[in-house]
Amino acid sequence: GAVVSQHPSWVICKSGTSVKIECRSLDFQATTMFWYRQFPKQSLMLMATSNEGSKATYEQGVEKDKFLINHASLTLSTLTVTSAHPEDSSFYICSARGGTSGLSYEQYFGPGTRLTVT
Amino acid sequence: RKEVEQDPGPFNVPEGATVAFNCTYSNSASQSFFWYRQDCRKEPKLLMSVYSSGNEDGRFTAQLNRASQYISLLIRDSKLSDSATYLCVVNMYTGNQFYFGTGTSLTVIP
Repeated sequence: GAVVSQHPSWVICKSGTSVKIECRSLDFQATTMFWYRQFPKQSLMLMATSNEGSKATYEQGVEKDKFLINHASLTLSTLTVTSAHPEDSSFYICSARGGTSGLSYEQYFGPGTRLTVT
Repeated sequence: RKEVEQDPGPFNVPEGATVAFNCTYSNSASQSFFWYRQDCRKEPKLLMSVYSSGNEDGRFTAQLNRASQYISLLIRDSKLSDSATYLCVVNMYTGNQFYFGTGTSLTVIP
């Protein structure tokens, strides 16, 4: 149990275009989903936290108008990188909180999306 | 001061060795503790949660020291496949804020 999928796994886009990344919890209802970004050889950086049906909470320094997050259901959250630029090239990873056990404090990560902006 | 601190390593150990990582956290109200493993260019995978009484899963043992505010991970009889980055993660029950360490890099050498 506790499987999280992401789509696409890899995307290349031109500068100025928008990219949407989907994150799905496949076998459980995720009360909270998180979006992270990771640059090569660096640690995960939390971008935002989203709860189903409410607005996402963004970390300091993360532009909410550039990284649009929608958490429409308990199994789906999307991150849209608007007007992408080369510096947005990174590994984007989502995670979901909420599992099959009574204690649901673990996070389960999706496989990540590697974004390259040319 | 960072919420969670780890020695980044790298730790290079021979196969069969025992290796231990420590991780310190700054918020005494922290309640949930985890070790994740991340392979190169992959997502983190939950290795084990850390319970107050300490817990063991095969060759892996995790311990929590609340008084000194650190958690540890011990790997016995290291395998080549244990080579990865090990992330320490801390959370408070009442919040959605998870704090990640920067990770400790382990390479097991044949």
